[in-house]
Amino acid sequence: LAKTTQPISMDSYEGQEVNITCSHNNIATNDYITWYQQFPSQGPRFIIQGYKTKVTNEVASLFIPADRKSSTLSLPRVSLSDTAVYYCPVRGAGSYQLTFGKGTKLSVIP
Amino acid sequence: DSGVTQTPKHLITATGQRVTLRCSPRSGDLSVYWYQQSLDQGLQFLIQYYNGEERAKGNILERFSAQQFPDLHSELNLSSLELGDSALYFCASSGRTGVDEQYFGPGTRLTVT
Repeated sequence: LAKTTQPISMDSYEGQEVNITCSHNNIATNDYITWYQQFPSQGPRFIIQGYKTKVTNEVASLFIPADRKSSTLSLPRVSLSDTAVYYCPVRGAGSYQLTFGKGTKLSVIP
Repeated sequence: DSGVTQTPKHLITATGQRVTLRCSPRSGDLSVYWYQQSLDQGLQFLIQYYNGEERAKGNILERFSAQQFPDLHSELNLSSLELGDSALYFCASSGRTGVDEQYFGPGTRLTVT
């Protein structure tokens, strides 16, 4: 099974930029890197996806180094509503299933 | 709103019983995934169906089974329930097998007493 490593938790003040890094050493060559956000008692929500370098959408940016063994989700100017758990699921080689791991619990402080 | 619907929202039942959870994927999505989320285990993949056929199996117990019907809705059947089966059960759908952009439903909270 593929495995990811993320910090268990992070705290940030409102208005700051938050960077959450995920290590995925054995990601398959043709797999995309995906991040999800989950609020308590809700289903995870897709945030952003990339293959290499940098991807930006209206919610976040995703930075992927050339070796693709890690990725960094960047949330600009966080607000209290960004308090959630963030996951970087990966797929095992030859597998269709995503392994989510425990995620990073981000707490935004007023 | 992800477009994925799940019923019921809450379910309380006793040990040894059997329940059925239902999921309707987003319009046009052929893949349905089931996940279990409990406090100590995180989000665990159970099973995936694609256009009516089982495509991938994860940590699904033998007491659990699922199917996807011709109209693409899916049901997860949980039998001989144990206290440890209490969890949130999520259904997700995607447009193509293997695509990572999955859309999750609101979940069914199962409480086994």
